[in-house]
Amino acid sequence: KAGVTQTPRYLIKTRGQQVTLSCSPISGHRSVSWYQQTPGQGLQFLFEYFSETQRNKGNFPGRFSGRQFSNSRSEMNVSTLELGDSALYLCASSFSTNTEAFFGQGTRLTVV
Amino acid sequence: AQKITQTQPGMFVQEKEAVTLDCTYDTSDPSYGLFWYKQPSSGEMIFLIYQGSYDQQNATEGRYSLNFQKARKSANLVISASQLGDSAMYFCAMREGPYNAGNMLTFGGGTRLMVKP
Repeated sequence: KAGVTQTPRYLIKTRGQQVTLSCSPISGHRSVSWYQQTPGQGLQFLFEYFSETQRNKGNFPGRFSGRQFSNSRSEMNVSTLELGDSALYLCASSFSTNTEAFFGQGTRLTVV
Repeated sequence: AQKITQTQPGMFVQEKEAVTLDCTYDTSDPSYGLFWYKQPSSGEMIFLIYQGSYDQQNATEGRYSLNFQKARKSANLVISASQLGDSAMYFCAMREGPYNAGNMLTFGGGTRLMVKP
């Protein structure tokens, strides 16, 4: 069974631009969560989608948004990029609550 | 206050020996889950083991076991018979709340484990 797939793996963007990251969860999983990982702040929760609805949201500015489609695939968008948005963005999928979350390999975003 | 604390930024262990990675947590919710993940240099987070707050027995998965001490709020990961491939960052994480609360995980700062040949 295929794992969690994140695309693209690497991105370089310029300050002020916007970016969209994609995550395809494991087949049958309805929950998709996004995390930002930086050396300074560690792993921080961005948001979770379950059956196309945002169920939880972390403490990030409104420039960070996401959505989930009917096939459970999820996208994350960051508008007006800042240098501090450079990070590894990880997506995790879960079948339900109280089950383990499986992560993708991440998208490494560099903002210059 | 930190919800998940990993006090060992880095550790060395000799190949084939056992190692314990510490994790303490802070929550007032009676329903929670504790997870351990491994992150190699490639970046992917690999699920290792899960312990629910109501589980009576310590979780085990192959060479991994979780030493769950609820009263002390600790959930240490024990890796038996270390292998060179175990060298990686290890993260402890917690999910709080009842069944329908969602899957938001709070992570600790991680421990870098280095296995010596």
